[in-house]
Amino acid sequence: GEDVEQSLFLSVREGDSSVINCTYTDSSSTYLYWYKQEPGAGLQLLTYIFSNMDMKQDQRLTVLLNKKDKHLSLRIADTQTGDSAIYFCAENGGNNRLAFGKGNQVVVIP
Amino acid sequence: DAEITQSPRHKITETGRQVTLACHQTWNHNNMFWYRQDLGHGLRLIHYSYGVHDTNKGEVSDGYSVSRSNTEDLPLTLESAASSQTSVYFCASSIAPNEKLFFGSGTQLSVL
Repeated sequence: GEDVEQSLFLSVREGDSSVINCTYTDSSSTYLYWYKQEPGAGLQLLTYIFSNMDMKQDQRLTVLLNKKDKHLSLRIADTQTGDSAIYFCAENGGNNRLAFGKGNQVVVIP
Repeated sequence: DAEITQSPRHKITETGRQVTLACHQTWNHNNMFWYRQDLGHGLRLIHYSYGVHDTNKGEVSDGYSVSRSNTEDLPLTLESAASSQTSVYFCASSIAPNEKLFFGSGTQLSVL
């Protein structure tokens, strides 16, 4: 079955870059996702990457995928206070539904 | 605009009571999911449905049930609420079972 691992907490100064990491186990995943959860809200899809890509850039967001090591990362450039949230990675593994990591809380310090 | 809504946003109940949380989506998605979110556990799947009259158990289904009588709604019922079911509950839907999910805003449930 799938097992998605994330570290739990990251603090970063406003304007710096932040990097959130995730490891997954199901090599059959075709898409890997990053979701953002702001306080008191549901999860919103932030970005995603197809499994045959190594990198995807979307404005301040860069997603890196290392399929060999089953490692996914999300880099946020010029981190802003509005980026304070919990970030979840997810994979669509072989059992036909998404598997989520436990989430990584990012706190941006002004 | 199409959306997914959950109600109520907050609910306080007593142990042993039956509670139903509502989820309604207007995207005409066949696939709907219920998760609970707890500190240290992330999101855990409770039940899911791939279409009308289809329901499936997730990883933490004990004490919960769902029914799918139409495409738009997947209500989650706690048959006899327990304090361990105090949590934040999220409903989600998707076009395909393992594609990106759209989440509701959540229901905070407290069982006293």
